[in-house]
Amino acid sequence: DVKVTQSSRYLVKRTGEKVFLECVQDMDHENMFWYRQDPGLGLRLIYFSYDVKMKEKGDIPEGYSVSREKKERFSLILESASTNQTSMYLCASGGNQPQHFGDGTRLSIL
Amino acid sequence: AQSVTQLGSHVSVSEGALVLLRCNYSSSVPPYLFWYVQYPNQGLQLLLKYTSAATLVKGINGFEAEFKKSETSFHLTKPSAHMSDAAEYFCAVSPKAAGNKLTFGGGTRVLVKP
Repeated sequence: DVKVTQSSRYLVKRTGEKVFLECVQDMDHENMFWYRQDPGLGLRLIYFSYDVKMKEKGDIPEGYSVSREKKERFSLILESASTNQTSMYLCASGGNQPQHFGDGTRLSIL
Repeated sequence: AQSVTQLGSHVSVSEGALVLLRCNYSSSVPPYLFWYVQYPNQGLQLLLKYTSAATLVKGINGFEAEFKKSETSFHLTKPSAHMSDAAEYFCAVSPKAAGNKLTFGGGTRVLVKP
């Protein structure tokens, strides 16, 4: 069965901290994605990666960066966390459509 | 640019009644269309997808959706709601030429009353 695993379900950090969210997929997919989910806004794409060390900005990349050193792992980095980055973060992977999602990380920035 | 509008952020249905969730899209080129479901404290699961084959698409758990190009719609239906259908549903669109970079609607939360 396909699996996308996010390292933390819940995370609490402080303003200004550097925050790492990790995601691992076991399906050998080329594409991996990071979304944030906010009520009424659906999911918005932050960054995606179509190959190792390759990345593209999504719709809301400001304040975030990503790292993809290995095919199975895609990390989202909040360079200096701010309270407006409190949200649910979802990782996904896919070859062609559709995408497979992890269970999400609920991140609170205090 | 593409966008997705889901009419109604909350829908309440009685168990056994028809479920109808509305989705309209705007896209400069014919897109791929998707419906996802999110159960509490979980990620998204694909219900069904339209990729330019049959316009009536059947998915998992008894759901189906019909692509209507003239109305730019992709509404999701289920003839008889079950308590287990209580969840949030997301419509999404992807341009055919851009792989699986999805644009999501705002979501519709479904409440099923006994």
